[in-house]
Amino acid sequence: ETGVTQSPTHLIKTRGQQVTLRCSSQSGHNTVSWYQQALGQGPQFIFQYYREEENGRGNFPPRFSGLQFPNYSSELNVNALELDDSALYLCASSFGDMNTEAFFGQGTRLTVV
Amino acid sequence: GESVGLHLPTLSVQEGDNSIINCAYSNSASDYFIWYKQESGKGPQFIIDIRSNMDKRQGQRVTVLLNKTVKHLSLQIAATQPGDSAVYFCAENIAGSARQLTFGSGTQLTVLP
Repeated sequence: ETGVTQSPTHLIKTRGQQVTLRCSSQSGHNTVSWYQQALGQGPQFIFQYYREEENGRGNFPPRFSGLQFPNYSSELNVNALELDDSALYLCASSFGDMNTEAFFGQGTRLTVV
Repeated sequence: GESVGLHLPTLSVQEGDNSIINCAYSNSASDYFIWYKQESGKGPQFIIDIRSNMDKRQGQRVTVLLNKTVKHLSLQIAATQPGDSAVYFCAENIAGSARQLTFGSGTQLTVLP
């Protein structure tokens, strides 16, 4: 158990809809990163939040957005869902913005139909 | 673009034997590396990390070797057990890029009885 929890575990949405995924970071961690993992592939970095500010972004369009709250939990929002957005969405928490251990949650499986 | 790659997509070993999973990286600016284990339906599980100022690090039954000259990373698992069956990912972090981990596509390790 990493102490990183994500909700919901599974979700089915229709193309064009919007979705919000949630992540509670491990106690003592102030950094949350989000990743998208397509079936059979490695996770791809979406963005990172450190102390409630976006602190790095991968190659994802603006319809992928996020928030980090004062308790360091985080949300990932995806607007105008596309079929290719179907994937496992992973949240990783860590302490600080330097290279230290990053621990992942179990992920949210999003299916867009 | 530069990315992390793995030499073999699948690896089968006999229970009790040692396993070696290899990873090549191409970004010379990477200064931190992590190995993750991912079981089906779960998030990646942190195994061991290594910084670029080291060439070897040992954990419980695992050893990571880093060869910066040829940009190669390996994970050695001693006395492989059935519970070690999973997909293994190496991930790299480029210096100064927050904690944007770049993952390879993974190696499926199967432990044979």
